Amino acid sequence: EAGVTQSPTHLIKTRGQQATLRCSPISGHTSVYWYQQALGLGLQFLLWYDEGEERNRGNFPPRFSGRQFPNYSSELNVNALELEDSALYLCASRRDGSQGYGYTFGSGTRLTVV
Amino acid sequence: GEDVEQSLFLSVREGDSSVINCTYTDSSSTYLYWYKQEPGAGLQLLTYIFSNMDMKQDQRLTVLLNKKDKHLSLRIADTQTGDSAIYFCADPVKLIFGQGTELSVKP
Repeated sequence: EAGVTQSPTHLIKTRGQQATLRCSPISGHTSVYWYQQALGLGLQFLLWYDEGEERNRGNFPPRFSGRQFPNYSSELNVNALELEDSALYLCASRRDGSQGYGYTFGSGTRLTVV
Repeated sequence: GEDVEQSLFLSVREGDSSVINCTYTDSSSTYLYWYKQEPGAGLQLLTYIFSNMDMKQDQRLTVLLNKKDKHLSLRIADTQTGDSAIYFCADPVKLIFGQGTELSVKP
């Protein structure tokens, strides 16, 4: 069974540009979560999608947005990039949005803003 | 707001026991999770504990939960160099993770 896949692995952007990160969940998983892991800050929850709908959102500005497609894959878009957006962005999927099932994480996209 | 806190670093000698601690401000979760992140990898679910349990043992891992003190710990017996990683405690309902504890195991 393929795990959670994220692309690209690395992304370098200039301040002010837009970045698009992609995530494909494990087959059968309907929930996708996005996290930001900035240096020294641990994991910060960004967004949760389930069945194509945004279910919850972390404390991030509106320039962080995303969507979930009918095949449950997801995109995270970051507009007007700032230097402090440089981080590892992790995607996780779960079978459904309820408790009782652990997340499976992808290996992440390393975003560097210069 | 809701918070989960961990100490940032722990260094032990190979063969010793490691204890990684986590405190949280509130939890109505059915489960609390421990994740492991090896260098360059995503997070891997290590173990979990039901909120109505005090202790769970899984091979070399022991999870202790003190709901009164809102304290969760992960004990790794006979720590090996391959256990070197960052360990996160997590509240899956609140979608909150601790900052992670970097465990360094010295031979």
